[in-house]
Amino acid sequence: GENVEQHPSTLSVQEGDSAVIKCTYSDSASNYFPWYKQELGKGPQLIIDIRSNVGEKKDQRIAVTLNKTAKHFSLHITETQPEDSAVYFCAAAQKLVFGQGTRLTINP
Amino acid sequence: DAGVIQSPRHEVTEMGQEVTLRCKPISGHNSLFWYRQTMMRGLELLIYFNNNVPIDDSGMPEDRFSAKMPNASFSTLKIQPSEPRDSAVYFCASSPSPGQGGKLFFGSGTQLSVL
Repeated sequence: GENVEQHPSTLSVQEGDSAVIKCTYSDSASNYFPWYKQELGKGPQLIIDIRSNVGEKKDQRIAVTLNKTAKHFSLHITETQPEDSAVYFCAAAQKLVFGQGTRLTINP
Repeated sequence: DAGVIQSPRHEVTEMGQEVTLRCKPISGHNSLFWYRQTMMRGLELLIYFNNNVPIDDSGMPEDRFSAKMPNASFSTLKIQPSEPRDSAVYFCASSPSPGQGGKLFFGSGTQLSVL
């Protein structure tokens, strides 16, 4: 079945700096790659997604890049702010298997 | 829209008791998912429904777990009998897209503690 590896498990950056989280997947048939943000006491919330027919997608300070050949995709957050502190999950379809999560802490 | 609604938010029960978790998906969404979240295993898909029909229940841990979706606006996840290792946060999510290739909208979860 699909296997999704996410790195790093924890990430601490200074406010205003950039943060990058990476995921690799095993199933070459996967064609949908979402990223979710989970704040304490809440369910995960979709923040950005990408389909396999594009290599990059950007939404304000957040971007996702996809390398289908290497089977990895990354989340990029620029100009980080304290409210970006949360746990971030990547996922890969077909079966929407989630990565283990990255706890991102933004230091003021 | 109120989003996906789960109840209860917290459940504390004793080993051996029956536990029923409830979910109301977003109106108009065709797919519904049950996930379990623990520190050790992360987010695990337990089962998903398409148009009220269970499609994939391969993630259901064992026969103690069962899920139903009697109509498009309601689903339950039942554990009978419950065990301490079932303690976790259980999330329900719905999606406007059929199957698993679409965006998921999660509820706030049910924190289950089995003593």
